[in-house]
Amino acid sequence: EAGVAQSPRYKIIEKRQSVAFWCNPISGHATLYWYQQILGQGPKLLIQFQNNGVVDDSQLPKDRFSAERLKGVDSTLKIQPAKLEDSAVYLCASGAGLSYNEQFFGPGTRLTVL
Amino acid sequence: DAKTTQPPSMDCAEGRAANLPCNHSTISGNEYVYWYRQIHSQGPQYIIHGLKNNETNEMASLIITEDRKSSTLILPHATLRDTAVYYCIVSGGGATNKLIFGTGTLLAVQP
Repeated sequence: EAGVAQSPRYKIIEKRQSVAFWCNPISGHATLYWYQQILGQGPKLLIQFQNNGVVDDSQLPKDRFSAERLKGVDSTLKIQPAKLEDSAVYLCASGAGLSYNEQFFGPGTRLTVL
Repeated sequence: DAKTTQPPSMDCAEGRAANLPCNHSTISGNEYVYWYRQIHSQGPQYIIHGLKNNETNEMASLIITEDRKSSTLILPHATLRDTAVYYCIVSGGGATNKLIFGTGTLLAVQP
């Protein structure tokens, strides 16, 4: 079974530029999550989708971050404009929506903002 | 904020059992205990979860105290590849419940 795919794996941009990350979840998984992981910290949930609807985006800085999940499959996360403090690993995870919360994570995209 | 308390780091000799403790004194009756781990430069990986009974799978065992205020993850025969940050998370069941990650325990397995 193929895992969660993310691209790119690494991205370096200047502050105030924009950037987009892509995620392809495990086939059939209804739930998709985007996390931000700053160096030395645990992952922090940014947004959660159930199919193509948003379940929770309470931690998403909506003035600069946006995410969409068209057709309930792939998802993109965008930052516009980027700030220095956005430097982090962005992780995508998917889940089958079972009675317990097992999430499958992708390898992440490491973003460096200069 | 994370609802769990874990030691920041632990060492374990290769081949020995690794016992990772977690305190979750404010756990509610319908909340599960989840364990994930994150190997360097990889995404987190689900290990095991439990509600009140002890659980075992091919990766690990989870021992939950009777009052459910603490738990221990046991890796029976640690290998170098088990070196990782281990996260203990308390969350309700179902995909709509958040996993709130703390800073976890860095387990270093020594040769």
